Amino acid sequence: SQKIEQNSEALNIQEGKTATLTCNYTNYSPAYLQWYRQDPGRGPVFLLLIRENEKEKRKERLKVTFDTTLKQSLFHITASQPADSATYLCASGFQKLVFGTGTRLLVSP
Amino acid sequence: NAGVTQTPKFRILKIGQSMTLQCAQDMNHNYMYWYRQDPGMGLKLIYYSVGAGITDKGEVPNGYNVSRSTTEDFPLRLELAAPSQTSVYFCASSFSTGEDQPQHFGDGTRLSIL
Repeated sequence: SQKIEQNSEALNIQEGKTATLTCNYTNYSPAYLQWYRQDPGRGPVFLLLIRENEKEKRKERLKVTFDTTLKQSLFHITASQPADSATYLCASGFQKLVFGTGTRLLVSP
Repeated sequence: NAGVTQTPKFRILKIGQSMTLQCAQDMNHNYMYWYRQDPGMGLKLIYYSVGAGITDKGEVPNGYNVSRSTTEDFPLRLELAAPSQTSVYFCASSFSTGEDQPQHFGDGTRLSIL
């Protein structure tokens, strides 16, 4: 069955730096990958979607890449701010989304 | 628009009790989903529905039941609560089920079974 894997260890970075989160997929060749943000005590919120042939997609300070050779998507937040601290989830799937466990990002002032 | 609304936000149940988690959406989405989220385990799909009157099992359906009598509502029922069902439950909806369709989530119901 398809698997979505994310680094379970928290990522700690300083304000102003670029945060890079990784999502790997196995047993599956998705046509799209989705990224969500989840704050403590809240439900996930959709951020970005990237298609397999797009390679890169940007939205304000967010950038997502899709490497079908490495079976990986990278999620970048440039000029990070403490308000970016949250857990970020990667997801993919046809008819039923499969979610990764998420990576917690902590941005220190 | 309220989006996806879940009630209650918190609940403590005793083993063997039953309860219904409510979910309503006002986006006229045909597709609705129930997930549970346990620490370090990610979101697991319990049940989903592709429209009023149509439901299907997800990855972890045992111990739960659902119904979908209207487009707006998708309640999740626990008949005989067990400690293993202690979790955070999220309801979500989407316009369709394509890989390019984002899901809209409620803020969850935190359920403890003692």
